[in-house]
Amino acid sequence: EVQLVESGGGLVQPGRSLRLSCTASGFTFRDYAMTWVRQAPGKGLEWVGFIRSEGYGGTTQYAASVKGRFTISRDDSKSIAYLQMSSLKTEDTAVYYCTRGSRIHIWLDSAYWGQGALVTVSS
Amino acid sequence: DIQMTQSPSSLSASVGDRVTITCRAGQSIDKYFNWYQQKPGKAPKLLIYAASSLQRGVPSRFSGSGSGTDFTLTISSLQPEDSATYYCQQSYNTPYTFGQGTRLEIK
Repeated sequence: EVQLVESGGGLVQPGRSLRLSCTASGFTFRDYAMTWVRQAPGKGLEWVGFIRSEGYGGTTQYAASVKGRFTISRDDSKSIAYLQMSSLKTEDTAVYYCTRGSRIHIWLDSAYWGQGALVTVSS
Repeated sequence: DIQMTQSPSSLSASVGDRVTITCRAGQSIDKYFNWYQQKPGKAPKLLIYAASSLQRGVPSRFSGSGSGTDFTLTISSLQPEDSATYYCQQSYNTPYTFGQGTRLEIK
């Protein structure tokens, strides 16, 4: 059974950093691109970014709203994807989901989702 | 960025009704398009991928159609458990943008 579990959320002051982890199980992690999606309180879904599988270069892409502040990485030996968030702003307050697609290597949809991690940016 | 516009933003329908939600992309995205369902306090769930393919385990009353810029999600016979917010998403170009959501309530 595919499982994605986010951890590392919490309350953080503006301008500080926080790292989320997404621990995966039930599938061959290295074969899949992993994405991060967030949802501000009472708002819709926003795509944050993704990291390709190492077989496709392990490259990353980001939404403009987080580019230069957020970094996605992966440790295939541990089956963990990370979202390093720096220079946090109050508008980054959201539930952050990690997701996996339905196809190996190529991301075309988010077939599997974690339960989400709440990040609150406030002084 | 490719803008995704859903309509309506909300709707109310009765059990057994046929319900249609539409999504329009700001440019042609072929069939690189998905529909998700989200219930309060839960993670979204993939319903339809590649515009018209039903995700495994999703009831057959859900169907998707369209290509290019115009897409439709249809629920053939609305059930009480279908009360949720529905989102469309394009997977043609990054950023993989979502629509603003459609809140579906059961009368």
